[in-house]
Amino acid sequence: GDSVTQMEGPVTLSEEAFLTINCTYTATGYPSLFWYVQYPGEGLQLLLKATKADDKGSNKGFEATYRKETTSFHLEKGSVQVSDSAVYFCALYKAGTALIFGKGTTLSVSS
Amino acid sequence: GAVVSQHPSWVICKSGTSVKIECRSLDFQATTMFWYRQFPKQSLMLMATSNEGSKATYEQGVEKDKFLINHASLTLSTLTVTSAHPEDSSFYICSARAGTGSGTQYFGPGTRLLVL
Repeated sequence: GDSVTQMEGPVTLSEEAFLTINCTYTATGYPSLFWYVQYPGEGLQLLLKATKADDKGSNKGFEATYRKETTSFHLEKGSVQVSDSAVYFCALYKAGTALIFGKGTTLSVSS
Repeated sequence: GAVVSQHPSWVICKSGTSVKIECRSLDFQATTMFWYRQFPKQSLMLMATSNEGSKATYEQGVEKDKFLINHASLTLSTLTVTSAHPEDSSFYICSARAGTGSGTQYFGPGTRLLVL
């Protein structure tokens, strides 16, 4: 079945470091891809999305490009802040279904 | 942007009682709503999917008689945990989707349930 695999965390970085969180997927057809962020004790917030191959989603300095050839949607940010500390979920969507989530990657940024 | 609210945000109850959690889409009509359960430091586990006016579709292993879901309107869904037990203690998150287009789901802030 369809699935999403994220890199194991936690990821620990210093402020202003470069961030990459890897995400790969397995799916038939042409899914849409998402990154959600969850701050402690809260629900999930949509961070960015891409609906077709080669699309780049971006928001708040985060970017991810939908790569069909490598079935990947890696999340990147050039300079992380302490406030970016959270759990990040990669997810895919196919019509008529609920989102399928990866296991989440915890990011911890220290000053 | 699209906002989903949940109420209550925290609930503590005695074992054997029932608890109702409300999920509302505040600025859009949600044709489909989803209920998830999340254990500490884990991903979200989909419990059920509901379409307005229809019976909910439950995921395998989720007891439909224990977790009653009602989606009576395009802006409101409720989850009732019946005869709650300590093992039902968890973080419950609802999500709403306006249509089947890009599939974007908007999430509520979650409800933390503690059953004593």
